Amino acid sequence: SQQGEEDPQALSIQEGENATMNCSYKTSINNLQWYRQNSGRGLVHLILIRSNEREKHSGRLRVTLDTSKKSSSLLITASRAADTASYFCATGFQGAQKLVFGQGTRLTINP
Amino acid sequence: ETGVTQTPRHLVMGMTNKKSLKCEQHLGHNAMYWYKQSAKKPLELMFVYNFKEQTENNSVPSRFSPECPNSSHLFLHLHTLQPEDSALYLCASSQVWDIDVELFFGSGTQLSVL
Repeated sequence: SQQGEEDPQALSIQEGENATMNCSYKTSINNLQWYRQNSGRGLVHLILIRSNEREKHSGRLRVTLDTSKKSSSLLITASRAADTASYFCATGFQGAQKLVFGQGTRLTINP
Repeated sequence: ETGVTQTPRHLVMGMTNKKSLKCEQHLGHNAMYWYKQSAKKPLELMFVYNFKEQTENNSVPSRFSPECPNSSHLFLHLHTLQPEDSALYLCASSQVWDIDVELFFGSGTQLSVL
């Protein structure tokens, strides 16, 4: 399968702690994107990282990409209750004209 | 809000009904997409329209019929659906049809087929 696979499937932490989610994929990519989805809502784009980039930041979010290991991680620092959501990675593969989404990590932030 | 509006938010229909889902984007984008999100399955791309022309149909059954009258509007016409078609249907748009751009999603239509 070309799709990215997130790990873990579910994560529950206390407010204020850091949350790390991982995404692995199998073939060469042009880019990798992370999206957030609140329950029953649409997805919201967080970060796009290209295959020639190793790290990107956006506010409390940090994304890394290791193309040699075909993996990416999303770190959310100082988590808040509002960060409770599902997080998806989506990979853009060379030669394909569509993003392929993983099954997501369900993140719960406990107050 | 993301600038992509979907209606209705919820829809319950029988297997013999005909209904339509509507999507409108106010972002000036040229590409629009329909995705299906079922429980415990990855997001599935159904259709892609680029400058009003259908460019992708991922082996979607003919009981789903898309329509894109202009770059701002996208419809998904439904008829003779099956219970396994119950899912969250998401519309998305992007500036161009390309994997190197972000997608903007609507809030989705939660469809239940009885």
